[in-house]
Order: sequence, then structure tokens, then C-alpha cells
Amino acid sequence: SQQGEEDPQALSIQEGENATMNCSYKTSINNLQWYRQNSGRGLVHLILIRSNEREKHSGRLRVTLDTSKKSSSLLITASRAADTASYFCATGFQGAQKLVFGQGTRLTINP
Amino acid sequence: ETGVTQTPRHLVMGMTNKKSLKCEQHLGHNAMYWYKQSAKKPLELMFVYSLEERVENNSVPSRFSPECPNSSHLFLHLHTLQPEDSALYLCASSLRQGAYNEQFFGPGTRLTVL
Repeated sequence: SQQGEEDPQALSIQEGENATMNCSYKTSINNLQWYRQNSGRGLVHLILIRSNEREKHSGRLRVTLDTSKKSSSLLITASRAADTASYFCATGFQGAQKLVFGQGTRLTINP
Repeated sequence: ETGVTQTPRHLVMGMTNKKSLKCEQHLGHNAMYWYKQSAKKPLELMFVYSLEERVENNSVPSRFSPECPNSSHLFLHLHTLQPEDSALYLCASSLRQGAYNEQFFGPGTRLTVL
């Protein structure tokens, strides 16, 4: 399967703590994207990291990419209740024209 | 608001019904997508349209029939569905087709087939 696999499948932390989610994939990519989905809603694009980049930041989000390990991580710092959602990685494989989404990590922030 | 709207938001239909899902994007994008999201399964790409031409059909059963009359509108026509087709159907658009492009999603249509 080409899809990315997120780890863990579910994560529950206290408000204010940092949340880290991981994504692993199997074949070479040209980019990897992270999306957020609130319950029963559409996905919202968070960040795109290209295969020649190692780290990107956007507000409280930090994404890393290790192409040698074929993995990426999404760090959310100082979590808030509003961060409760499912987070998906989507991989753009070399030679392919479409994104392939993983199954997602369900993040719950407890007040 | 992502600039992509979908109607209806909820749909309940019998297996013999015919219905259509509608998607509209107000972003000036050239590519549009239909995805199916079922519980405990990854997001499944169904169809891709680029400049109103269908460029991908991911082995989707013929009871799902897409239509893209122009670059702003995308339909998914449904007929003789099965209960296992119950899912959240998501429409998305991107500036151009291709894995380098950020996709903008609509809120989805929650479909229940009885």
C-alpha cells in the first residue's frame, strides 16, 4: 500500500501540553501534507513540506520530514481544546498525480 | 469557510432511489475531486477532474456517476446504491491537478443508504 500510516491512532492529552503525531510511508515522495478534520466536517490543509525540506513551522505547528526514515511528524505546541480533531498526513508520491491519505490520528485535548 | 460548498449536507436514500450530490467551488481552481470517507478506513479517492475532463476513476462502481459541467461545479449522481455505500462524501478542489497542490475541501455530504 502506498498510503501513509499515522501513529498513534488516538492521542489524548491535557490542554497546554504538546501533541506529537507521526506518519510513515513506504515509497519515495515529492511532498507530504498534513490536514485537520473536525468531527464530521471537511479536511483543512495545515502545512506542506517538500522532499528537500527537513522542517517547517506555521504558528504552533512544527512539521519535520526525514526522507531516509520515510517518516514525518507533526508537533502541536501549547495545545488548546479547539485542537481536538483528526489529523491526516497525505503523501504525494514521485511519478503519481494524486495525494494518498492515511487513516489519521484522533487527537483529544482535555480541559 | 474554505470556498468549497456541498449540498445537501445530509441525505438518506433507499437502494432504489436516484439522487445527486452537488459541489461548487468559488476559488477559480481547475481540478476537482470526489472522495469517500468511511468509518475506520482511509480517505478513498473516487474521481478527479482537471479542466472539466475526468482524469482519474479509481475503480468506482458504475452506480456512482460523476459530472463536471464546468470548472466550478461537480456532481455525483447516485443510483441503486448499497448500504455499504453509506459514508461521508467529500468534494475538494485545487488550483491544478497534481500531488503538489494543496486541496480545499467542502464540508461533505453524510449519506445513509437504507
